[in-house]
Amino acid sequence: EAEVAQSPRYKITEKSQAVAFWCDPISGHATLYWYRQILGQGPELLVQFQDESVVDDSQLPKDRFSAERLKGVDSTLKIQPAELGDSAMYLCASSLPGLAGGQDTQYFGPGTRLTVL
Amino acid sequence: ELKVEQNPLFLSMQEGKNYTIYCNYSTTSDRLYWYRQDPGKSLESLFVLLSNGAVKQEGRLMASLDTKARLSTLHITAAVHDLSATYFCAVDFPSGTYKYIFGTGTRLKVLA
Repeated sequence: EAEVAQSPRYKITEKSQAVAFWCDPISGHATLYWYRQILGQGPELLVQFQDESVVDDSQLPKDRFSAERLKGVDSTLKIQPAELGDSAMYLCASSLPGLAGGQDTQYFGPGTRLTVL
Repeated sequence: ELKVEQNPLFLSMQEGKNYTIYCNYSTTSDRLYWYRQDPGKSLESLFVLLSNGAVKQEGRLMASLDTKARLSTLHITAAVHDLSATYFCAVDFPSGTYKYIFGTGTRLKVLA
């Protein structure tokens, strides 16, 4: 069964350092999402890609976060510099286009748990 | 404002009992999704509801959608311990480009 791959699974870093997360979506899924999930809360969308283009990055803290999906397949999310409040689970998801321009079921990767010390 | 709210936030129930989780959303949509998340793990898709009156069932879980009331329910029948998890609903709002918003989550604990 096809799955969304993410790496690393765990990352511990010190504040002010740079971190990067990688995601490989299910083959053929044009839409890719990065979410941040703080413990005890629901996922919050950071950025959404359609192929290589950003569709929504309204909640992405652009002063420190960046995301790219250069060839419209895998994607990288970077944080520089990391802050204590960035400690969270970072989830990647992918989907096929939904009906009439909407979105379909999202398939989630295992996530990267980030701890900033 | 696009909002998705769930209640209860926490639910502790005995095995064998029935209960319902509610998902309310703020503006019109006919696309609603339910996910399950085990502690420390990622999200797993449970149900996709794409029209008013849609009902889906899988094992002891049944989900329904009332788009007029902007309400979805996830009903648990004769709960078992394996159902202990956090359940999220998510709504796809037609707002310019579609906006996918997750609910607050309901943490379910089934006691033996």
